[in-house]
Amino acid sequence: AQSVTQLDSHVSVSEGTPVLLRCNYSSSYSPSLFWYVQHPNKGLQLLLKYTSAATLVKGINGFEAEFKKSETSFHLTKPSAHMSDAAEYFCVVSEAWRALTFGSGTRLQVQP
Amino acid sequence: DSGVTQTPKHLITATGQRVTLRCSPRSGDLSVYWYQQSLDQGLQFLIHYYNGEERAKGNILERFSAQQFPDLHSELNLSSLELGDSALYFCASSVEAAQREGRGTDTQYFGPGTRLTVL
Repeated sequence: AQSVTQLDSHVSVSEGTPVLLRCNYSSSYSPSLFWYVQHPNKGLQLLLKYTSAATLVKGINGFEAEFKKSETSFHLTKPSAHMSDAAEYFCVVSEAWRALTFGSGTRLQVQP
Repeated sequence: DSGVTQTPKHLITATGQRVTLRCSPRSGDLSVYWYQQSLDQGLQFLIHYYNGEERAKGNILERFSAQQFPDLHSELNLSSLELGDSALYFCASSVEAAQREGRGTDTQYFGPGTRLTVL
């Protein structure tokens, strides 16, 4: 069975400082991993996707994530936070032919 | 804009009623997935259709049903509504080419959602 744990429900950073959102996953097979972002009252937008190619995945808006199989982690990072990054972030796991399993979400707050 | 459309954007109804939510996938996508987002349950997978056929079921109540039509749009029917059904309902679509070719899971593109309020 697949599952995903987002280790922080809330993260607060200052504008211009690095962002780290932590995610651990569990999967019986080689999973696909995603990060989605949801801005207030908006739908879900794909940030990036890992599917067993390069372990460091670059996404949109300066975000990237590193797949570490030994640690079963897929943490999301960004070198410098912007006010527009304030949103809810979801780590997602999927095994082939299965629907997406979402983490509980991390709310990112960016302070001016 | 993901290319996935959902109507209506908002729906307010009473307990015991029945509603239909509609989703049009991106052009060329054969798969449609339905998800429910609520405060207590988070984002949960409900049901998946591929080219008109039901492919998988998740945590979907028996009061809920869905179908995908020949033009690939999908409808989610919610009946005997309860207060706890109030949630944001998303549909997502994917092409599923990667899965068929063994290259992992295809990206799912999400619609803007339908916010259902049951009073």
